[in-house]
Amino acid sequence: SQQGEEDPQALSIQEGENATMNCSYKTSINNLQWYRQNSGRGLVHLILIRSNEREKHSGRLRVTLDTSKKSSSLLITASRAADTASYFCATTGGYNKLIFGAGTRLAVHP
Amino acid sequence: EAGVTQFPSHSVIEKGQTVTLRCDPISGHDNLYWYRRVMGKEIKFLLHFVKESKQDESGMPNNRFLAERTGGTYSTLKVQPAELEDSGVYFCASSPRGSSYNEQFFGPGTRLTVL
Repeated sequence: SQQGEEDPQALSIQEGENATMNCSYKTSINNLQWYRQNSGRGLVHLILIRSNEREKHSGRLRVTLDTSKKSSSLLITASRAADTASYFCATTGGYNKLIFGAGTRLAVHP
Repeated sequence: EAGVTQFPSHSVIEKGQTVTLRCDPISGHDNLYWYRRVMGKEIKFLLHFVKESKQDESGMPNNRFLAERTGGTYSTLKVQPAELEDSGVYFCASSPRGSSYNEQFFGPGTRLTVL
């Protein structure tokens, strides 16, 4: 894979629980982004973290970045059924093309 | 403001046939990208237009794929002849020129099934 691995590939939790997804990448980066894809819909940008940042928050989302380990994690707190989706991390390659990981399928059960 | 739109939403064709996918980016966005996700695998870049010019087509899998963006507005991606391995979801994304960071706005995708 160009990007590396996302872990886990699938995650199933109950509403109210937290969900953590991890992403590894291979090259040096300027920033790393997380996207969500709901079934049958396009990708929605969630959050961007720059290479000089270690942690960023947006609502119930918390993203961390460890450039020494070339890894990032996405934490969704107090999950809801509507969070059920696939989540992808992406880094930026030449000419700003996005390089995606394989994604994590999250299922949140009511 | 309308988002990125793609047509059709689904297409089922037989091997050897031709299919043309269309993408309408957000008005005023110079950058237009095509990506695809083959079954269960990661989303992969296909190509990038800046206005009507191809900036980067390094992800195009082979010469059965032809992308155009005449006039720098909407784009088409033609697959001719389609093969079984072309099945997947084709996404289009756009972004304004000179974005301070690279957020791309994605369309809902076209699900292509080649039988």
